[in-house]
Amino acid sequence: AQSVTQLGSHVSVSEGALVLLRCNYSSSVPPYLFWYVQYPNQGLQLLLKYTSAATLVKGINGFEAEFKKSETSFHLTKPSAHMSDAAEYFCAVSHAGGTSYGKLTFGQGTILTVHP
Amino acid sequence: DVKVTQSSRYLVKRTGEKVFLECVQDMDHENMFWYRQDPGLGLRLIYFSYDVKMKEKGDIPEGYSVSREKKERFSLILESASTNQTSMYLCASSQRGRTEAKLFFGSGTQLSVL
Repeated sequence: AQSVTQLGSHVSVSEGALVLLRCNYSSSVPPYLFWYVQYPNQGLQLLLKYTSAATLVKGINGFEAEFKKSETSFHLTKPSAHMSDAAEYFCAVSHAGGTSYGKLTFGQGTILTVHP
Repeated sequence: DVKVTQSSRYLVKRTGEKVFLECVQDMDHENMFWYRQDPGLGLRLIYFSYDVKMKEKGDIPEGYSVSREKKERFSLILESASTNQTSMYLCASSQRGRTEAKLFFGSGTQLSVL
């Protein structure tokens, strides 16, 4: 079985400050890991994904995440927050294997608020 | 532009009604999914389909069924709606054979059961 835990349901930062959203996973097989973002009244969009290539993954809008197997973590960061980054962020895990069909298990979500 | 379209943005139904939520994708994807989204719980998988007429239960299938008669369309059915099924429902699709393939999501249907 696989699971994802996002630490902190709400994170608040000032514009220009570092963004750090935490995600820890549990998986019995090598995982694929994802970060999705959901802007108000929209569906989810893929920010970035880890698929066992480079451990530091760069995504859209200046976000990146680092896969750390020893810590079972996949934290999302952005050096400088913009007002437009305010949204809900979801970490998700999948795994290789013919019967997974790309099913994702999602974390609880973290709402990011950016203050002027 | 690729799209996953959900038929209704908002839906209000009464307890005991049969409810149909429709989802259509135009990307020729084999895999389609229904999730429900609740505050503090994230997204939970209800059902998914990996081919026409094929379906498998997700993590919370109780009280739901699905239908996939055509490749592009995946319907979620609430046989007898209950108040605890009030939620945001999200449909998604992905390409077959690539477990790392991204999911494309619809904008969601906010269902209220009174």
